[in-house]
Amino acid sequence: AAGVIQSPRHLIKEKRETATLKCYPIPRHDTVYWYQQGPGQDPQFLISFYEKMQSDKGSIPDRFSAQQFSDYHSELNMSSLELGDSALYFCASSPRDRSSYNSPLHFGNGTRLTVT
Amino acid sequence: SQQGEEDPQALSIQEGENATMNCSYKTSINNLQWYRQNSGRGLVHLILIRSNEREKHSGRLRVTLDTSKKSSSLLITASRAADTASYFCATVISYTGANSKLTFGKGITLSVRP
Repeated sequence: AAGVIQSPRHLIKEKRETATLKCYPIPRHDTVYWYQQGPGQDPQFLISFYEKMQSDKGSIPDRFSAQQFSDYHSELNMSSLELGDSALYFCASSPRDRSSYNSPLHFGNGTRLTVT
Repeated sequence: SQQGEEDPQALSIQEGENATMNCSYKTSINNLQWYRQNSGRGLVHLILIRSNEREKHSGRLRVTLDTSKKSSSLLITASRAADTASYFCATVISYTGANSKLTFGKGITLSVRP
């Protein structure tokens, strides 16, 4: 079965550089979520999109932006990178459960960003 | 994390034993989910329990939910070395918006010794 695809798998950037992370959700999943997970930490919600519109926003820095495109893939753009941005970035997708919002999330394997 | 708090933080058991992990949360929820994460990999959904359910089973997994105590437990029976991973509970708050996000608690590291 198709899974959530994230690219790149690893990314090394220097401080103040920019980075773009890509996410391809499972086919027919219309909702995408982005999470950040620091070393030894729990995943922190950044932002989500439903039908190409931002649906919820969490602890996403102003230096980061994201969007969902017409083919439902999503990109997370990160500018003025800081050392503290080093983390695993996960994308997850889900179909909208129209009854009770109970759909589990399907996660990609993440992008490991290292800022030096 | 701001919502789910798991205990213990780390658990080491012998293969064949049962593992019990607990999670507490703070706000009213729509549902609670458990995820598993192997080191450096993505999270894998294990089981979802709705706020009006008290217990749910899936294979060797048993989840309970006590909304009066705002707590949940995950029991893995007859553990295997392959169960070694981090386990997270995550909640969807009671919310009328579409596609509500998951809020994760701090993970529990389970080590199953062969």
